[in-house]
Amino acid sequence: GNSVTQMEGPVTLSEEAFLTINCTYTATGYPSLFWYVQYPGEGLQLLLKATKADDKGSNKGFEATYRKETTSFHLEKGSVQVSDSAVYFCALSDYSGGGADGLTFGKGTHLIIQP
Amino acid sequence: ETGVTQTPRHLVMGMTNKKSLKCEQHLGHNAMYWYKQSAKKPLELMFVYSLEERVENNSVPSRFSPECPNSSHLFLHLHTLQPEDSALYLCASSQDAANYNSPLHFGNGTRLTVT
Repeated sequence: GNSVTQMEGPVTLSEEAFLTINCTYTATGYPSLFWYVQYPGEGLQLLLKATKADDKGSNKGFEATYRKETTSFHLEKGSVQVSDSAVYFCALSDYSGGGADGLTFGKGTHLIIQP
Repeated sequence: ETGVTQTPRHLVMGMTNKKSLKCEQHLGHNAMYWYKQSAKKPLELMFVYSLEERVENNSVPSRFSPECPNSSHLFLHLHTLQPEDSALYLCASSQDAANYNSPLHFGNGTRLTVT
């Protein structure tokens, strides 16, 4: 079956630090990959996505590259801000099974940015 | 109003009560989903509806009963719940359940506490 593994945290960084949140996946087909972000008291929002190998998704200074050879989709940002404090979810969508399965999510990584 | 709206935001109910969660999407999407978010666990897909027909039911207990009267509205009827059902229930929609590149748009969730 499909699964997503990501570091759980909490990850605590100082403002302007470099961020990496690791994500690896297993999938039966050729999935699309997503990062979602959940701010306190809110639902999940799509942050970025990539649909094929070597694609780079980017948004709001975050980026992630679809690495098929290492089955990874690590999230990076060069200089984090306090407003980036949130929970980040890596997810995949794989239609090879033929069903409407929605997304498979990781457990989420809680990111805390200190001023 | 735009996006995905869930009501109520918070709900406290006893194990013998019957209540309903409501979700409405204003995005013109054809697919709607219920997810359960519990602490330290990945998001759990509960139900998927495509064009008002249920296409996925991930072995959810019968005390949870979904209803999708049209493509814009989704309900989750609750009865005789257990304390372990306390969680954040998230509604989401997407353009097309069969298109696995189509991202999900989430509501802010209903925080359910079963006493």
